[in-house]
Amino acid sequence: TQLLEQSPQFLSIQEGENLTVYCNSSSVFSSLQWYRQEPGEGPVLLVTVVTGGEVKKLKRLTFQFGDARKDSSLHITAAQTGDTGLYLCAGVIQGAQKLVFGQGTRLTINP
Amino acid sequence: GAVVSQHPSRVICKSGTSVKIECRSLDFQATTMFWYRQFPKQSLMLMATSNEGSKATYEQGVEKDKFLINHASLTLSTLTVTSAHPEDSSFYICSVRSGHEQYFGPGTRLTVT
Repeated sequence: TQLLEQSPQFLSIQEGENLTVYCNSSSVFSSLQWYRQEPGEGPVLLVTVVTGGEVKKLKRLTFQFGDARKDSSLHITAAQTGDTGLYLCAGVIQGAQKLVFGQGTRLTINP
Repeated sequence: GAVVSQHPSRVICKSGTSVKIECRSLDFQATTMFWYRQFPKQSLMLMATSNEGSKATYEQGVEKDKFLINHASLTLSTLTVTSAHPEDSSFYICSVRSGHEQYFGPGTRLTVT
């Protein structure tokens, strides 16, 4: 059973386009993180959201935590080729200790 | 954020041998460290939670006698893959948590021949 459903798992778009990646669950999370991982490296933390409805921005990336803290989204505006990579959502279920990951989204931005 | 290192970054071993992977928290005292495994084209799967001074907690389906974890100090946890087989070939990544943030090491690529 996948606790965090991430979609789409693969996305290939043209440079300059916008995109949104979703992370959904039936569980409530005390916190949710988004990571980016390059081949052969560990995941690098992009953002952590903890409050329902919270929105955080990191340059062209906008992260949102659902009001009920069961879902999150990552929106990239005017994608660039440098955004190509594997994006992972991960969260700590309320009352638990461990961080669980979604399946990941392999993003390719074409020039 | 916390800085985590792993050693070695890559290791090749023969089937039946054991290999030890070290995880160090360089700027943060971690009472708990987490070990993940990642197969090609897949996401990270938690293997076990390493607790300083006590036994590790293993996830369902992970053999504790095969994946030995030792967390002897607040800055070092080790994962030993015993009697390694080719199916143990994977990318092993450790992690520490500081508040709500969780930081990952650079990973160790294990290849069992």
